[in-house]
Amino acid sequence: AQSVTQLDSQVPVFEEAPVELRCNYSSSVSVYLFWYVQYPNQGLQLLLKYLSGSTLVKSINGFEAEFNKSQTSFHLRKPSVHISDTAEYFCAVSDHNTGNTGKLIFGQGTTLQVKP
Amino acid sequence: GAGVSQTPSNKVTEKGKYVELRCDPISGHTALYWYRQSLGQGPEFLIYFQGTGAADDSGLPNDRFFAVRPEGSVSTLKIQRTERGDSAVYLCASSLDRGLGNEQFFGPGTRLTVL
Repeated sequence: AQSVTQLDSQVPVFEEAPVELRCNYSSSVSVYLFWYVQYPNQGLQLLLKYLSGSTLVKSINGFEAEFNKSQTSFHLRKPSVHISDTAEYFCAVSDHNTGNTGKLIFGQGTTLQVKP
Repeated sequence: GAGVSQTPSNKVTEKGKYVELRCDPISGHTALYWYRQSLGQGPEFLIYFQGTGAADDSGLPNDRFFAVRPEGSVSTLKIQRTERGDSAVYLCASSLDRGLGNEQFFGPGTRLTVL
């Protein structure tokens, strides 16, 4: 069965510093990978996704993630964070083992705490 | 336009009681998902509807949990004989269609507390 591991439960970082949130997955078939973000008191929102093609995908607010098949990873990065990036970040996977339903398997989440 | 809405936002009940949680998906979305998020964990899949039918209910933890979507729009998650371990945030998501790459739009969730 597929699974997702987010290696860090909390990541504290100062404003304007770079950040990397790590995500590893396990699956025996082709995967589709997602990062969702949950801002305080808000619902989950899609940040970015990898379906096929270029392994580097970017969001509109400066985040990017790279699909690495050999390392089964999909780490999220941002070169310079803002206070407003403080949120919970979830990595998720969907693959053909899910029977083409599109259901998502989520990691445990990483809390990004940006300090001034 | 309106997003996914869920009611109630909070529900407190006593052990053994029956509860219903409602989800209003985005208009026109045929795929609907229920997830459960326990404290400190990521969401866990419960059930998936395509139209009116439950296409995948493999995530329902036991037969106390049941969900319906009779007209292919609003869905209700029903929990019988609630237990303290059922306490969690129940999330609903909808998608324009099924498919591995389609974006799921999540509601704000219903926080269920079983005393």
